[in-house]
Amino acid sequence: DAGVTQSPTHLIKTRGQHVTLRCSPISGHKSVSWYQQVLGQGPQFIFQYYEKEERGRGNFPDRFSARQFPNYSSELNVNALLLGDSALYLCASSFSPGGGSYGYTFGSGTRLTVV
Amino acid sequence: QQQVKQSPQSLIVQKGGISIINCAYENTAFDYFPWYQQFPGKGPALLIAIRPDVSEKKEGRFTISFNKSAKQFSLHIMDSQPGDSATYFCAATLSNQAGTALIFGKGTTLSVSS
Repeated sequence: DAGVTQSPTHLIKTRGQHVTLRCSPISGHKSVSWYQQVLGQGPQFIFQYYEKEERGRGNFPDRFSARQFPNYSSELNVNALLLGDSALYLCASSFSPGGGSYGYTFGSGTRLTVV
Repeated sequence: QQQVKQSPQSLIVQKGGISIINCAYENTAFDYFPWYQQFPGKGPALLIAIRPDVSEKKEGRFTISFNKSAKQFSLHIMDSQPGDSATYFCAATLSNQAGTALIFGKGTTLSVSS
């Protein structure tokens, strides 16, 4: 069974540009969360979506937005990119928002570099 | 109050030794405490987790000790192996009407020397 799939794996963008990152959850998982991991730090919560609705938002500016589609896949959008947005963006899926018995499964992430 | 503080930042252990990583938290609303293992180029993978009504949980060579009154928890890796060399994150979940977020510590880089 496929795990959490994220695309692209690597991305280089210029300051001020827009980026869209994609995530396909594990089959049967209805909750998707996004995290930002800056080099040398732990992941930071950005968004959680469940059944296509936003369930939680971390302390990130409005330049960050996301959505979840009917097939439970998700997109993270970042506008007006800043150098500080350079990070590994992780997607985590779970059966329920609280994680359930098996917790959250993370993808390998998208490495975004802003130059 | 949302933070999870993790120490040490890095750890070197001899093969066969015990690796110990400690975490502390302030928010008593945290309701689930997982540990994640991350290898370079990969996302974090759930290693073991505990709920605050349990003081210890053991899975193979990995044990979580949880002290609710002190608001501290720790990961013990027995018989550490070179393959355990990775970055370890403690975390806590905060569930409310707005959903559930994982709050991570800053991580501990473990190196097991052979």
